[in-house]
Amino acid sequence: GPKVLQIPSHQIIDMGQMVTLNCDPVSNHLYFYWYKQILGQQMEFLVNFYNGKVMEKSKLFKDQFSVERPDGSYFTLKIQPTALEDSAVYFCASSSRDRVYEQYFGPGTRLTVL
Amino acid sequence: GDSVTQTEGPVTLSEGTSLTVNCSYETKQYPTLFWYVQYPGEGPQLLFKVPKANEKGSNRGFEATYNKEATSFHLQKASVQESDSAVYYCALSDLAEGADRLTFGKGTQLIIQP
Repeated sequence: GPKVLQIPSHQIIDMGQMVTLNCDPVSNHLYFYWYKQILGQQMEFLVNFYNGKVMEKSKLFKDQFSVERPDGSYFTLKIQPTALEDSAVYFCASSSRDRVYEQYFGPGTRLTVL
Repeated sequence: GDSVTQTEGPVTLSEGTSLTVNCSYETKQYPTLFWYVQYPGEGPQLLFKVPKANEKGSNRGFEATYNKEATSFHLQKASVQESDSAVYYCALSDLAEGADRLTFGKGTQLIIQP
């Protein structure tokens, strides 16, 4: 089936540094999402993105977070600066215009902030 | 806000036995309900969704009925196989909170022994 790729699979950085998480969505999909899962807790919605704009964001999407998809390349989540509480697995998802409810997820990027 | 509560794992069963994973939800509106399955090293993938109350969804021998009165969406399978070992997530999407924002439960790890 359709695949969403995420790069890198693991990232370890020091608190205060910047990190960019990359997502390669399904090729014809137009809606993109980021979710955050802290160990032992549920996956939580961060943000969705369509037509070059953030459509909706949750309270977890702090001012230090930003998303973009320049020129149809990777859909990225940037955190600057990082904090200890940003340690989590971040899942990217994408969906088509016709099937917004059918989100395809990547395998996740495990971010560890020291 | 919305919330989803499901059976705490891990759940360990022998091959050929029946499965029930409980899921209950809280929301102010009329959500679409989902079951997702996640295999090791992969992202969650949609098992099935049910948009309307009192309807049943099914896929690969799994099924669940959207019970609006009881606010439940329990996952069942008559006879599990070793290949069903995975983490199962109950989720909802609610127009009041954002049409394509998914709210997940914590996930239930299912371990099937041969």
